[in-house]
Amino acid sequence: GENVEQHPSTLSVQEGDSAVIKCTYSDSASNYFPWYKQELGKRPQLIIDIRSNVGEKKDQRIAVTLNKTAKHFSLHITETQPEDSAVYFCAASKGGSYIPTFGRGTSLIVHP
Amino acid sequence: IAGITQAPTSQILAAGRRMTLRCTQDMRHNAMYWYRQDLGLGLRLIHYSNTAGTTGKGEVPDGYSVSRANTDDFPLTLASAVPSQTSVYFCASSDGSASYGYTFGSGTRLTVV
Repeated sequence: GENVEQHPSTLSVQEGDSAVIKCTYSDSASNYFPWYKQELGKRPQLIIDIRSNVGEKKDQRIAVTLNKTAKHFSLHITETQPEDSAVYFCAASKGGSYIPTFGRGTSLIVHP
Repeated sequence: IAGITQAPTSQILAAGRRMTLRCTQDMRHNAMYWYRQDLGLGLRLIHYSNTAGTTGKGEVPDGYSVSRANTDDFPLTLASAVPSQTSVYFCASSDGSASYGYTFGSGTRLTVV
């Protein structure tokens, strides 16, 4: 089955800096890669996703890149703000009825 | 109801007792899932259902059962709770077609004592 590794487990940055979270996956058939943000005490929420036919996707201060050959994808947050502090989960899926496999999460702390 | 609703929000349960966590969605999503979230272990899949009338086992199914009598409801039952089932439980749903992303419920915090 699919295996998703996520690094780092904890990331601490100063406000205004960039943050990068990396995930690797094992199943070359995976074609959908969502990212979820979970604020303390709340539910995970989808913030951005990318499909295997695209190498990069941006949405304001966040972007996701995908390297299919190396089987890794990354979340980039620029100009970080304290409200970006949360746990971020990556996932990999073959889409349709296939169930995503989640990474173990990265706790991002943005210091004012 | 808008989206996906879980009940109760939190519960303290004596070991050995039976408990059903409720999950209802109004988005007509075919697929529904139950996850447990424990510190350092991320989200682990307990059971899932790709469509009404079908269910499947996830990564950590032991001690849990589910049913999917209709599209909207996906209850999770702990037949005889044990302290290791103390966790935060999230229900999620997906249409599995145009958008593969999950919509999560707000979670149930369960403490088994």
